Amino acid sequence: EPEVTQTPSHQVTQMGQEVILRCVPISNHLYFYWYRQILGQKVEFLVSFYNNEISEKSEIFDDQFSVERPDGSNFTLKIRSTKLEDSAMYFCASSEARGQSDSRNYGYTFGSGTRLTVV
Amino acid sequence: AQKITQTQPGMFVQEKEAVTLDCTYDTSDPSYGLFWYKQPSSGEMIFLIYQGSYDQQNATEGRYSLNFQKARKSANLVISASQLGDSAMYFCAMRAYISSGSARQLTFGSGTQLTVLP
Repeated sequence: EPEVTQTPSHQVTQMGQEVILRCVPISNHLYFYWYRQILGQKVEFLVSFYNNEISEKSEIFDDQFSVERPDGSNFTLKIRSTKLEDSAMYFCASSEARGQSDSRNYGYTFGSGTRLTVV
Repeated sequence: AQKITQTQPGMFVQEKEAVTLDCTYDTSDPSYGLFWYKQPSSGEMIFLIYQGSYDQQNATEGRYSLNFQKARKSANLVISASQLGDSAMYFCAMRAYISSGSARQLTFGSGTQLTVLP
């Protein structure tokens, strides 16, 4: 079964440093997402990406965050200057294969997550 | 805007028994989808079951079934014959379908920690 792949699985970074989280969505999916889950809390939407641009973003997704699809396969989330409160699990997801918009759950698939710790 | 409410922060069930995890939702959109995910201690999000708002029948996937009551805006997950491996956090989530190119993100509830007792 197709998978969404995220790297690294764990990352520790110093406060103020830039970090890039990487994702390879399912190859024929059209929509890509980043979500965040602070330890013990609910999963929160950050941003969605379609047709090489941001389609929706939440209030959490401020100027410190950016997303990119640099080469047609990778989908990255960059945090420019990390803060302690950015420590969380970050999930990438993708959905909606071409021509299969009526599939059971729109193919919504999450990666295994990157656990980011800011120290 | 969508809202998902899971009122049970923790649940216990005896192995081989059935358990119901509650989920209520609020939306003004006429068309939406409801998802349940399992998150074990390792952290990944595992898709369990999906119910579309216009589906006539309740969704079932193996030991998982969704008790969908549209008028009450509830979408409870029923796990039959619980196994020790079912111990995990369970999240209910929702997505609205209002127009092309928009609002495909999921809104999650706060989750229910299920513990299956031997």
